[in-house]
Amino acid sequence: GQSLEQPSEVTAVEGAIVQINCTYQTSGFYGLSWYQQHDGGAPTFLSYNALDGLEETGRFSSFLSRSDSYGYLLLQELQMKDSASYFCAVRNAGNMLTFGGGTRLMVKP
Amino acid sequence: DADVTQTPRNRITKTGKRIMLECSQTKGHDRMYWYRQDPGLGLRLIYYSFDVKDINKGEISDGYSVSRQAQAKFSLSLESAIPNQTALYFCATSGYSGANVLTFGAGSRLTVL
Repeated sequence: GQSLEQPSEVTAVEGAIVQINCTYQTSGFYGLSWYQQHDGGAPTFLSYNALDGLEETGRFSSFLSRSDSYGYLLLQELQMKDSASYFCAVRNAGNMLTFGGGTRLMVKP
Repeated sequence: DADVTQTPRNRITKTGKRIMLECSQTKGHDRMYWYRQDPGLGLRLIYYSFDVKDINKGEISDGYSVSRQAQAKFSLSLESAIPNQTALYFCATSGYSGANVLTFGAGSRLTVL
């Protein structure tokens, strides 16, 4: 089976940096992905890590350590529009994505 | 037009009724998925299909069935709806080489009374 753990809620102030952690247990691992979902909207793809290390896309970065079954999403220069839920997801050998329960990020002025 | 279109967007129905949620896509992707979202539980996979002749159960398929009518169409049915199937349902697609990158529809909110 597979399971993913991430904090349910994180609060930060505008302009700050926030890190959302994700630990996973999976039978077969083919990558860790991150998705963003605004209230009332659909999840949208943010980033993907297949190998250890940091992937940077603008203000967002994602990190993976396969030996620790751990990854994180780093959001820099937080903006109010970053208030959303963030989901980590792992792909297994069956090419299915299993999602974590989501982290609700609240950005305050 | 949206790449992945779901209909209906909202539906209220009664226990025991048959419900069909439809999904169509213009992405040209072979792979299509149905997920269910409940608060605090993330997205859980109901069924997925990697091509027209391929249908696979996900982690919570009981009480649901699907039909892949064409490469672009994947429908989800609840044969006899029950209240604990009240949820937000998402259809998603992915390409063969981009299996980690799902494109989601806008969602179908289903309420079973």
